[in-house]
Amino acid sequence: QKEVEQNSGPLSVPEGAIASLNCTYSDRVSQSFFWYRQYSGKSPELIMSIYSNGDKEDGRFTAQLNKASQYVSLLIRDSQPSDSATYLCAAPLSTGANSKLTFGKGITLSVRP
Amino acid sequence: DAGVIQSPRHEVTEMGQEVTLRCKPISGHNSLFWYRQTMMRGLELLIYFNNNVPIDDSGMPEDRFSAKMPNASFSTLKIQPSEPRDSAVYFCASSAAFGATQYFGPGTRLLVL
Repeated sequence: QKEVEQNSGPLSVPEGAIASLNCTYSDRVSQSFFWYRQYSGKSPELIMSIYSNGDKEDGRFTAQLNKASQYVSLLIRDSQPSDSATYLCAAPLSTGANSKLTFGKGITLSVRP
Repeated sequence: DAGVIQSPRHEVTEMGQEVTLRCKPISGHNSLFWYRQTMMRGLELLIYFNNNVPIDDSGMPEDRFSAKMPNASFSTLKIQPSEPRDSAVYFCASSAAFGATQYFGPGTRLLVL
């Protein structure tokens, strides 16, 4: 298993629906997780971070972390066409004395008007 | 405030030529990261610096790649000689401290013919 995996996608939802994006991780990564959004042709930008088991809400976005099952999710409520982008899950991977942020390949979300 | 600045934004070169990518991190940020993004491999960390010192270059694909950070406000990533498989988008990111939120530059789109 890769350290951070995003296997589903692309995802298409109608405007106003809930979009659910999932990410699984291996034992090698540290227990902090980040969701980046990347619009086509643009650079990634951080939208959510989560460190503790459970849910973290920020506006229409909710990050969910389940350490027992080793997955982290991002829910987008009331999806808007402007949410159409690629969403990257990331976590620090320990490399001896240091760590480096490791990204999944991303899930492309399309919100249909 | 100026974000991370990268130049050039686009580069087209022929196989065998030397390519130099440049990055100016956000003022005051102590950590700098070079990433490469392709459809096949996603976003990969190549090397990162902390206080101008290279910490982990294990992601550098081979000896053709080198990176320097001569001072806190400038870094270069050099490919010599370049090959078609080096074609990708190269991002530079910086953070206020190692482990803090990373802010990405706009990227350099490199095409090696």
